[in-house]
Amino acid sequence: DSGVTQTPKHLITATGQRVTLRCSPRSGDLSVYWYQQSLDQGLQFLIHYYNGEERAKGNILERFSAQQFPDLHSELNLSSLELGDSALYFCASSVGVLTQETQYFGPGTRLLVL
Amino acid sequence: GESVGLHLPTLSVQEGDNSIINCAYSNSASDYFIWYKQESGKGPQFIIDIRSNMDKRQGQRVTVLLNKTVKHLSLQIAATQPGDSAVYFCAEIKYGQNFVFGPGTRLSVLP
Repeated sequence: DSGVTQTPKHLITATGQRVTLRCSPRSGDLSVYWYQQSLDQGLQFLIHYYNGEERAKGNILERFSAQQFPDLHSELNLSSLELGDSALYFCASSVGVLTQETQYFGPGTRLLVL
Repeated sequence: GESVGLHLPTLSVQEGDNSIINCAYSNSASDYFIWYKQESGKGPQFIIDIRSNMDKRQGQRVTVLLNKTVKHLSLQIAATQPGDSAVYFCAEIKYGQNFVFGPGTRLSVLP
């Protein structure tokens, strides 16, 4: 158990809908990272928050947004869902901003868009 | 568990032998590199990292080598064990910008 929690574990929804994925980092970790993993595109970095502020943005679609709250948990919002958004979504946390430190991943949320 | 990357390159090694997993990266300006391990049905697990100003870093049974001349990263696992069977990803990071992951290599440890 990494100490990072993600909810829900599984999510089935329809095209055009909107969902929210939640991540609670390990106690004391200020950084939260979001990743998408699909069979055809592999593992892709979406976004990084540190202590409530966005620090880096990767291949995140405009239909997707994220935020990190004062209690350091983070939410990833996916809207106007398409079939291709079906994937595993992982969050990870670390104490700081990844300078020779370990990054801990949650178990992931499996999203299926029908 | 989910099969990640059904058509990944596969490295098969005998238990007890050393494994070497290779990764080519693209951005010569990358600041930092990470190796991850992902077991079937689980999230990635951070193994070891290395800064761009280093050539080598050692951990417990693992060593990462960085060759900036040819933009090549390798992960060496000593005395490979059945529990090392997994998919291994490298990632290159430019601070404040993107993480870019390699396609992954599946390591299969033979008894």
